[in-house]
Amino acid sequence: SQQGEEDPQALSIQEGENATMNCSYKTSINNLQWYRQNSGRGLVHLILIRSNEREKHSGRLRVTLDTSKKSSSLLITASRAADTASYFCATDTGGYNKLIFGAGTRLAVHP
Amino acid sequence: GAVVSQHPSWVICKSGTSVKIECRSLDFQATTMFWYRQFPKQSLMLMATSNEGSKATYEQGVEKDKFLINHASLTLSTLTVTSAHPEDSSFYICSAGDKSYEQYFGPGTRLTVT
Repeated sequence: SQQGEEDPQALSIQEGENATMNCSYKTSINNLQWYRQNSGRGLVHLILIRSNEREKHSGRLRVTLDTSKKSSSLLITASRAADTASYFCATDTGGYNKLIFGAGTRLAVHP
Repeated sequence: GAVVSQHPSWVICKSGTSVKIECRSLDFQATTMFWYRQFPKQSLMLMATSNEGSKATYEQGVEKDKFLINHASLTLSTLTVTSAHPEDSSFYICSAGDKSYEQYFGPGTRLTVT
């Protein structure tokens, strides 16, 4: 079963613009992770944020976590055409590090 | 970084036959591996948790007799789709975890049942 929802389902922007994707989940978590998936390919791990963290940066990525609202956001700054992909959040609720994925956001960055 | 491989990368089989997909952790030992299924334009749905040396734990709604999982060693887990039907056509992805929180994902196997 899926843990939560992501919005928007699809996002289309121009190169250079920022892209923000949101993820909501239902149960308490140990950590939340963001992944990228190019069409028909495997997953690429982007960033992990622990439940006691509120914000984390990695290059052009910024992730926030609000455990009181059970939500997280992923911001990609200065987007590039190569950022075109699907982005998924995944929650680790504890126990064997099992991940439950959100529905995903399909991002299209136009040159 | 840790690498997980899957074999085959794609497979076409006839309805009623069985297909085995392998998932290997190449440079680390994985006591736990996970199997996901992904339909086109949808998210990954966890099918089962595979533990080395013990029976797999299946998610609700996943038929354990249809999707046989064997975790024979710390570096290999297999998923066998038995008596495959066209509705089993999907992208199957495995992941493996080491002692950290991070999961390492395989490149996926695309199964097409004709």
